[in-house]
Amino acid sequence: GDSVTQMEGPVTLSEEAFLTINCTYTATGYPSLFWYVQYPGEGLQLLLKATKADDKGSNKGFEATYRKETTSFHLEKGSVQVSDSAVYFCALRNSNSGYALNFGKGTSLLVTP
Amino acid sequence: DTAVSQTPKYLVTQMGNDKSIKCEQNLGHDTMYWYKQDSKKFLKIMFSYNNKELIINETVPNRFSPKSPDKAHLNLHINSLELGDSAVYFCASSQTAGGTEAFFGQGTRLTVV
Repeated sequence: GDSVTQMEGPVTLSEEAFLTINCTYTATGYPSLFWYVQYPGEGLQLLLKATKADDKGSNKGFEATYRKETTSFHLEKGSVQVSDSAVYFCALRNSNSGYALNFGKGTSLLVTP
Repeated sequence: DTAVSQTPKYLVTQMGNDKSIKCEQNLGHDTMYWYKQDSKKFLKIMFSYNNKELIINETVPNRFSPKSPDKAHLNLHINSLELGDSAVYFCASSQTAGGTEAFFGQGTRLTVV
């Protein structure tokens, strides 16, 4: 079945550092890919998405590119802020799973001043 | 105007009790979901309904029973609660089309004592 693998956390960075969170997937067909963010004590919010190969999703300085050849959707940000501290989830959505989101295990990010 | 709202936000109950969590969405979506987030933050799909019909029923104990009275509501009833049911339960909704994102409620933190 489909699956998503994310890099293990926690990740600790200083403010203004460069962020990469790796995400790879296994899926049949043509899934859509997503990054969700969960701030402490809150629900999940969509950060960005890409629906086909070579699409780049971007939002709030975060970017990720749908790479079908490497089955990857790595999240990047050039300069993180303390307010980016949260848990980040990579996910895919595919017709063969009833369109339910299939999540990676999440990566906790802590940004220190 | 809350898009996906679930109640209650916190639920503390004793083992063996029966409890319900309610979810409502005002986005006009035709698909709704219940996810369980364990203590390690891992999110797993439990159920999915499309236009009031059950389309995903993952390996969940039959003590858990979803009910969808209309396509804007998806409630979760849990019988004979066990300690291992303690988790955060998230309701979500989306359009059926695979490229669209799911919107999540704020979560219900269930603690079984």
